[in-house]
Amino acid sequence: QVQLQESGPGLVKPSQTLSLTCTVSGGSIDVGSSYWSWIRQPAGKTLEWIGRIYSSGITTYNPSLKSRVTISIDTSKNQFSLGLNSVTAADTAMYFCAREWRGGYGGKGIDSWGQGTLVIVSS
Amino acid sequence: DIQMTQSPSTLSASVGDRVTITCRASLHINMWVAWLQQKPGKAPKLLIYKASTLESGVPSRFSGSGSGTEFTLTISSLQPDDFATYYCQQYSSSVYTFGQGTKLEI
Repeated sequence: QVQLQESGPGLVKPSQTLSLTCTVSGGSIDVGSSYWSWIRQPAGKTLEWIGRIYSSGITTYNPSLKSRVTISIDTSKNQFSLGLNSVTAADTAMYFCAREWRGGYGGKGIDSWGQGTLVIVSS
Repeated sequence: DIQMTQSPSTLSASVGDRVTITCRASLHINMWVAWLQQKPGKAPKLLIYKASTLESGVPSRFSGSGSGTEFTLTISSLQPDDFATYYCQQYSSSVYTFGQGTKLEI
């Protein structure tokens, strides 16, 4: 069973860039049916899908965040990363990395999650 | 984006009860719906995918149904461990969206 673990600063200043890394263990990040996503959740609110990356480097972003988001992948380290620039207090949330499984017919959607990391935007 | 409208937002129930949560999609999404369970301070956990397929290891008291725009999650006999927040999620579009959540409480 694949496991995911987020890492990165828990406090980011307004207008700066939020940077997080997800380390995947228990399986290769370079698996044909797996896509790798970032999702966030402000306290007491629902989940917001941020974007995904495939092992080839192809990305898809949520249009609401697209102008500020970059997701990258390092297959040699079994890691993928999130960058979100020009952050404000509205970006304060729990950030999760996750796997989307697209094997078989249609796949499962998001089937594995990291434990999440809280990022606070404050000066 | 495809909007997922979930109801109710809060559901009060007791151990042994049968409960149903509903999710409505703003567009036809075939069967591409998942149901997730989240407990406080924890990551969501996949319960059901493809509207009605039970994820491995999930108890059989959980079931899902529906297609097109209307979907339901049913818990046949509530157990103490089931009190949590439940989310529907569509994966028909390349941009995934979630319902607002249903908090299941005693």
